[in-house]
Amino acid sequence: EAQVTQNPRYLITVTGKKLTVTCSQNMNHEYMSWYRQDPGLGLRQIYYSMNVEVTDKGDVPEGYKVSRKEKRNFPLILESPSPNQTSLYFCASSYTYNQPQHFGDGTRLSIL
Amino acid sequence: QQPVQSPQAVILREGEDAVINCSSSKALYSVHWYRQKHGEAPVFLMILLKGGEQKGHDKISASFNEKKQQSSLYLTASQLSYSGTYFCGTEISGNTGKLIFGQGTTLQVKP
Repeated sequence: EAQVTQNPRYLITVTGKKLTVTCSQNMNHEYMSWYRQDPGLGLRQIYYSMNVEVTDKGDVPEGYKVSRKEKRNFPLILESPSPNQTSLYFCASSYTYNQPQHFGDGTRLSIL
Repeated sequence: QQPVQSPQAVILREGEDAVINCSSSKALYSVHWYRQKHGEAPVFLMILLKGGEQKGHDKISASFNEKKQQSSLYLTASQLSYSGTYFCGTEISGNTGKLIFGQGTTLQVKP
């Protein structure tokens, strides 16, 4: 089944404890992207990747890192999480940036 | 830079029509529309490209006015399944992959 898989789905952690949210797609998509969703603010793009080894900042990259060493994986790294990063996170992928994006089920992060 | 969607919320009866607008202060290369049901991930509806090519959903239509820097999503003869939050994503820099989404429009369709 074609899908974008995010892990974990839920995480409660504490300020400053490094964490990684994994994202994997099995559709051979070139383009992958991370978004955060907060009430009233819609979806905000954190980072995106047009292809392997190519990543770029979205609208809200501060406090986040990504890497794209393989086509299928695009992990989101919070080196020193803070409470303002408490949010719902979505990973998405598509063949190219101008094709329909498939979203993962989301990861709800709570940082205390 | 975030596009402005209007209205913020709308309530319809089944069978009624709705229009959701997405306006940008920047020139647009493409506009992407997604629908998100409560507790679920966004789902693709439509992409409108500069120059008029449209890729999307055959039960929902949309327009893209490049001069006015805006797009409209048309939902005709709405069904209960149309309920959800609609987001437009705008590409303001060509060929970069950067998308900026609006704050969303919540649509509720009642029987």
